[in-house]
Amino acid sequence: DTGVSQDPRHKITKRGQNVTFRCDPISEHNRLYWYRQTLGQGPEFLTYFQNEAQLEKSRLLSDRFSAERPKGSFSTLEIQRTEQGDSAMYLCASSENLRGGDRYGYTFGSGTRLTVV
Amino acid sequence: QKEVEQNSGPLSVPEGAIASLNCTYSDRGSQSFFWYRQYSGKSPELIMSIYSNGDKEDGRFTAQLNKASQYVSLLIRDSQPSDSATYLCAVNMSPGGFKTIFGAGTRLFVKA
Repeated sequence: DTGVSQDPRHKITKRGQNVTFRCDPISEHNRLYWYRQTLGQGPEFLTYFQNEAQLEKSRLLSDRFSAERPKGSFSTLEIQRTEQGDSAMYLCASSENLRGGDRYGYTFGSGTRLTVV
Repeated sequence: QKEVEQNSGPLSVPEGAIASLNCTYSDRGSQSFFWYRQYSGKSPELIMSIYSNGDKEDGRFTAQLNKASQYVSLLIRDSQPSDSATYLCAVNMSPGGFKTIFGAGTRLFVKA
């Protein structure tokens, strides 16, 4: 297992375009999380999945953001009509579903750095 | 009030000294607490977790938790230049405890 994989590593897009990012979690992890991080800040929660079910979505997320996790495996995060304020590092993380599984923390992927010009 | 607060630093310590990093949180029902290390340009990596009051030691790292004071700390003994990074305090929010909220991080510099 190579850990959490994210693709692409970098994305430059023009304002108004749509972008889609992919995350492949560690295979035995059934929880998957998306975070966004800007310079000098900690990761900001966006959404999370348990298997294929999206259980929570941040109130800060506009309707331009959508995430899916078909079949409970990989996940995609789409941003429609990108704005300059969307420029950030988008981080995916996964964790195991163990008893007391919320105690085990996350494994993060390397992130996708989005630049909107 | 932010949900998880940390001093942004930078905190500068000489090599071999003890670095002390602090964090407070707002959700009194939180049960699980984490410290992540993030090198510049890299993603966070988990270094410690703690969920019971008191101290938890792992090598040169000691996490301390005081739920009554809603306070978490991380001590790094015998600090090395390779410890220079941003340290993120993270708290699992109740109810459910599966959503982790991160502080803004404290930048640590260890001077050789």
